[in-house]
Amino acid sequence: NAGVTQTPKFQVLKTGQSMTLQCAQDMNHNSMYWYRQDPGMGLRLIYYSASEGTTDKGEVPNGYNVSRLNKREFSLRLESAAPSQTSVYFCASSGPGGLWYFGPGTRLTVT
Amino acid sequence: QKEVEQDPGPLSVPEGAIVSLNCTYSNSAFQYFMWYRQYSRKGPELLMYTYSSGNKEDGRFTAQVDKSSKYISLFIRDSQPSDSATYLCAMSAGGTSYGKLTFGQGTILTVHP
Repeated sequence: NAGVTQTPKFQVLKTGQSMTLQCAQDMNHNSMYWYRQDPGMGLRLIYYSASEGTTDKGEVPNGYNVSRLNKREFSLRLESAAPSQTSVYFCASSGPGGLWYFGPGTRLTVT
Repeated sequence: QKEVEQDPGPLSVPEGAIVSLNCTYSNSAFQYFMWYRQYSRKGPELLMYTYSSGNKEDGRFTAQVDKSSKYISLFIRDSQPSDSATYLCAMSAGGTSYGKLTFGQGTILTVHP
């Protein structure tokens, strides 16, 4: 039981490049989330998926797109990376009982 | 004004001290209250989970929720150097598997031997 896994762990992009962050969970959770963490800002919700086939915007969705590929997988795409998207990205999932579990994070630097 | 306010610290205490971490919030719909611990360069891990008002104890950790004051606390007794981490409070109004967590900014704690 790996919990929530994320790939890659680290990534450096140039401004304007695109990339997809991958997330998978093996806890059979319905809900999945993407957060970003910046110094002094805590974690801010980018997008979430309440169930397979649905996605909704969170607090800071601009510049991102998501895909809920199936119940296990939820990806985050940056179409044209900007320096303001330099951050640590966390994927999370939640199930019955309302407990959230987080992945190890992806450190993204956009130059 | 942010929905959840948390003093970012940093907080530095000697080993064995009692640590008190606090958050205030403005959304009266919040019912689920969590504390996460995050070690450097790691993901947040769930430490304590409380529904509605009251206290919950788990070993050296005690979580308190006062909904009337919109105030939550985490107490760490007999603090250890291994407790050095960032502590994040988080809250949700949702009660099912769907719901959005709102986080405080996190408090950086260092426990020195």
